[in-house]
Amino acid sequence: RKEVEQDPGPFNVPEGATVAFNCTYSNSASQSFFWYRQDCRKEPKLLMSVYSSGNEDGRFTAQLNRASQYISLLIRDSKLSDSATYLCVVTSYNQGGKLIFGQGTELSVKP
Amino acid sequence: DVKVTQSSRYLVKRTGEKVFLECVQDMDHENMFWYRQDPGLGLRLIYFSYDVKMKEKGDIPEGYSVSREKKERFSLILESASTNQTSMYLCASKPGGGIDGYTFGSGTRLTVV
Repeated sequence: RKEVEQDPGPFNVPEGATVAFNCTYSNSASQSFFWYRQDCRKEPKLLMSVYSSGNEDGRFTAQLNRASQYISLLIRDSKLSDSATYLCVVTSYNQGGKLIFGQGTELSVKP
Repeated sequence: DVKVTQSSRYLVKRTGEKVFLECVQDMDHENMFWYRQDPGLGLRLIYFSYDVKMKEKGDIPEGYSVSREKKERFSLILESASTNQTSMYLCASKPGGGIDGYTFGSGTRLTVV
């Protein structure tokens, strides 16, 4: 079983749609959680950290459920420019702080 | 802004060649990492380093070695390149302490023929 698993993609949605990505992790000692965004043929870039209480950044909302070891990312009012691959990432101090990546979910927003 | 620079964007090498992938960061970060990214598998950690001359194996170190002689430079070495090492290679760095603040280089797409 992979340490971090994500919804299989691709997700094809129209502009303005709301889309949700899910992610589960297997290491209960995981302590920090992130969503990264990766554009085609580019490097991953941090989209947002995920906090226990949930957090929002504009159209993006991240949620964490430690009991279920589950992370989500909600994108509201999706734009063409949101088209990318979204990577769920976890890390923990007992793994030396190294990032563990999910395989990513591709999002394609159509006009 | 932190800059992580990888020496080559695209590289084509022959089977059996020794290959060096170079990564340089300009913000005095202690920690540096090498990942490879393959379709359906995501990013997988090859090696990382917490300090000069220190190295730790990641999840898939077989067929690779690394060198960190200077703080700003972390090299990935393929001793004898094989076709299954065709991949996108990504270098990252972050400050010491804490578990965030990663910055990635733009990647090297290596093809072994």
